[in-house]
Amino acid sequence: NAGVTQTPKFQVLKTGQSMTLQCAQDMNHNSMYWYRQDPGMGLRLIYYSASEGTTDKGEVPNGYNVSRLNKREFSLRLESAAPSQTSVYFCASSTGRSSNQPQHFGDGTRLSIL
Amino acid sequence: KNQVEQSPQSLIILEGKNCTLQCNYTVSPFSNLRWYKQDTGRGPVSLTIMTFSENTKSNGRYTATLDADTKQSSLHITASQLSDSASYICVVSAERGGGNKLTFGTGTQLKVEL
Repeated sequence: NAGVTQTPKFQVLKTGQSMTLQCAQDMNHNSMYWYRQDPGMGLRLIYYSASEGTTDKGEVPNGYNVSRLNKREFSLRLESAAPSQTSVYFCASSTGRSSNQPQHFGDGTRLSIL
Repeated sequence: KNQVEQSPQSLIILEGKNCTLQCNYTVSPFSNLRWYKQDTGRGPVSLTIMTFSENTKSNGRYTATLDADTKQSSLHITASQLSDSASYICVVSAERGGGNKLTFGTGTQLKVEL
């Protein structure tokens, strides 16, 4: 049972390059999320998808786009990477946004922008 | 502004000893409070979730308490093991139209030594 799988695990980009972070979950969860984790700060929500076919902005959406490809997959795209986007990115899923069930996290993508 | 503050920032204890981590929050309207464990290089893993009516919840050697009146929570770890070395993150959920909004603390870094 893989849970939440993120790819790649590590990536180095040059300023201005683009890339897509992939996320897939096998728990039949309705809701999926993208967070970033920076030193000295709590996780911050970038975008979320409450259910298949819907996406909404979170706390720090600027510079990012997302796609909920199907119920299993939720991708995060950086169109023109900036050094400020150097971070660890986590994907998470849960049964629903209004539930008291936990979010399940992947192991992250460590992204460096030079 | 919704905030979650954790203390201490870091802690070193000897294997076999107990410890207590603190979380204070100013999140409203309160929905639930969560504790996560994050091992180095991994994603957060849920330990407990407590709603307003629950003041104690255990998960093995981990016991969380919640005082909704004073807006404080603690995580008590009994008979610590080397594998308990990790960051412990307090997360408070606020009710919002269409779903809950999570506010993450910055974590307490625990190191268990021989």
